[in-house]
Amino acid sequence: QKEVEQDPGPLSVPEGAIVSLNCTYSNSAFQYFMWYRQYSRKGPELLMYTYSSGNKEDGRFTAQVDKSSKYISLFIRDSQPSDSATYLCATTISNFGNEKLTFGTGTRLTIIP
Amino acid sequence: KAGVTQTPRYLIKTRGQQVTLSCSPISGHRSVSWYQQTPGQGLQFLFEYFSETQRNKGNFPGRFSGRQFSNSRSEMNVSTLELGDSALYLCASSFGTSGGSQYFGPGTRLTVL
Repeated sequence: QKEVEQDPGPLSVPEGAIVSLNCTYSNSAFQYFMWYRQYSRKGPELLMYTYSSGNKEDGRFTAQVDKSSKYISLFIRDSQPSDSATYLCATTISNFGNEKLTFGTGTRLTIIP
Repeated sequence: KAGVTQTPRYLIKTRGQQVTLSCSPISGHRSVSWYQQTPGQGLQFLFEYFSETQRNKGNFPGRFSGRQFSNSRSEMNVSTLELGDSALYLCASSFGTSGGSQYFGPGTRLTVL
């Protein structure tokens, strides 16, 4: 069993819809959670970085963490065609930048104009 | 501030050869991590360097090695290439201290024939 499970999709939604992306993890030692966005032929780009259970909002993006259920989510409001990309959840044990990131396999998202 | 740069961007090698990939981190970042990304396994941690010392290592064979120079630039080397080494190799940099996040370069796409 992978330490981080993520539905690979693909997921297609119409422009303007709310998108929900989800991951589950198995290791209670994971304390810090990230969402990365990866466009085709590019490296992953950090979108959100969270620690506490609860919600963190940044513009149209909201990251949600539920440590009791070991469940993390990313919501995208008013989705745009430019949001079409692969979204990767990642987690790590500490907030030291050197700690290895454990990634989900990524969800490929397409926003249909 | 310039982002993480990786060279070369694309590389084609044959089985049995060796290859060296290069990564220049964001200015001021002292930690460099390397990841392998494949469609089947997703992103997997290779190793991490901080101040020229390897601090963390993933579960890859000894054919995969790396080093870091005094200016924080890093190289990774893969010897005796196998077909399964075909992947996108990503480098990520961070301050390497508490509170840091990892920022990825565009990657080097290695194809082994």
